[in-house]
Amino acid sequence: AQKVTQAQTEISVVEKEDVTLDCVYETRDTTYYLFWYKQPPSGELVFLIRRNSFDEQNEISGRYSWNFQKSTSSFNFTITASQVVDSAVYFCALSEPITNFGNEKLTFGTGTRLTIIP
Amino acid sequence: NAGVTQTPKFRVLKTGQSMTLLCAQDMNHEYMYWYRQDPGMGLRLIHYSVGEGTTAKGEVPDGYNVSRLKKQNFLLGLESAAPSQTSVYFCASSYGGGPSYGYTFGSGTRLTVV
Repeated sequence: AQKVTQAQTEISVVEKEDVTLDCVYETRDTTYYLFWYKQPPSGELVFLIRRNSFDEQNEISGRYSWNFQKSTSSFNFTITASQVVDSAVYFCALSEPITNFGNEKLTFGTGTRLTIIP
Repeated sequence: NAGVTQTPKFRVLKTGQSMTLLCAQDMNHEYMYWYRQDPGMGLRLIHYSVGEGTTAKGEVPDGYNVSRLKKQNFLLGLESAAPSQTSVYFCASSYGGGPSYGYTFGSGTRLTVV
């Protein structure tokens, strides 16, 4: 079965520092998608990025960047110049088939709680 | 605003009581999902539906029932609540069955069973 590991349970950094959240995954599929979600203190899940397994290019969106490396089965997330509003729990997730008809579900990691200290 | 709406947002139940959580989406999505979030365990799939009138078991279905009588609504029922069902419940929907279509999550329902 698929598995997503977020080994960092909690991270605290001082505002304006850079921080990287690690995500390592296991899958037997050759085609899959990886996701990052943010869960702020208010509790909702905010979609950040979706990346398919054929696209290994790194992506940058403002202060956020993602490093996808199939060779190490990792999909790490970096926040540059962190801000207090970045404080949240961040989840990495992997798509996993649940039927033979193309239906898939998300397998989530256990999350990393990021605290930005002012 | 279009999206996924979960009702209620908070609920406290006594052991043995029953209740139904409602998930409503107005995006004409075919696929709907119920996940539960527990500390240190991420989100796990309870049940899902691939269209009106269909339901299927996910990873942790025991103690729950679901119904999808209308395309826009996906109901999660607890017939006899247990403390182990204390959790945050998230509903999600997607246009297609694969992740390329993307998922939209509701804001969650925090359920406490005492």
